Amino acid sequence: DTGVSQNPRHKITKRGQNVTFRCDPISEHNRLYWYRQTLGQGPEFLTYFQNEAQLEKSRLLSDRFSAERPKGSFSTLEIQRTEQGDSAMYLCASSLRDLKRRKPNTEAFFGQGTRLTVV
Amino acid sequence: AQSVTQLDSQVPVFEEAPVELRCNYSSSVSVYLFWYVQYPNQGLQLLLKYLSGSTLVESINGFEAEFNKSQTSFHLRKPSVHISDTAEYFCAVSDYRAGGTSYGKLTFGQGTILTVHP
Repeated sequence: DTGVSQNPRHKITKRGQNVTFRCDPISEHNRLYWYRQTLGQGPEFLTYFQNEAQLEKSRLLSDRFSAERPKGSFSTLEIQRTEQGDSAMYLCASSLRDLKRRKPNTEAFFGQGTRLTVV
Repeated sequence: AQSVTQLDSQVPVFEEAPVELRCNYSSSVSVYLFWYVQYPNQGLQLLLKYLSGSTLVESINGFEAEFNKSQTSFHLRKPSVHISDTAEYFCAVSDYRAGGTSYGKLTFGQGTILTVHP
């Protein structure tokens, strides 16, 4: 298992442009989470999926943000009309929640993040 | 809703000295508690967690943390630090509800940068 993979690692974009990030979770994990981390702060929860269903969205997730997990595997996070305030590290994490209790639940495993700079 | 406060943003210590990184939390429901570590240019890694049972939990590299429900604290300690422990440490909580969320939706503290000097 190669862990949680995020691409790209770095993205510089001009204000007003759209950007999309990708997250590939650990293969058997059914839950996937997106977080945002700004300088000097801890990560802040944005949204999470169980399989392909988006179960919760934070109030931090404005209508310019959209996340998908179309087949319950990888996920994308798109930011439309980027603003300078969107500059941050975007973290993805995955975990296993086995509702049938055949396997133990796991903690969240994090990727290395995508650092977005809006200029 | 939960909140987490890490009382020290930076902690400088000398090698082989003991260290304590403080964490207090606030929650209206029971929580799971975690410490994550972030080494330079790496992702967050779980250091240790408290889910239930013994209130003292230990990591494989000598860190320990004690859950104190009355103080709503989960301080991280190590009796003797190494240069390689230099990193940023994050305390986090997850809402515990029977049959509800797993431990991936986390509320993090602001982080404590531990710098170990030779």
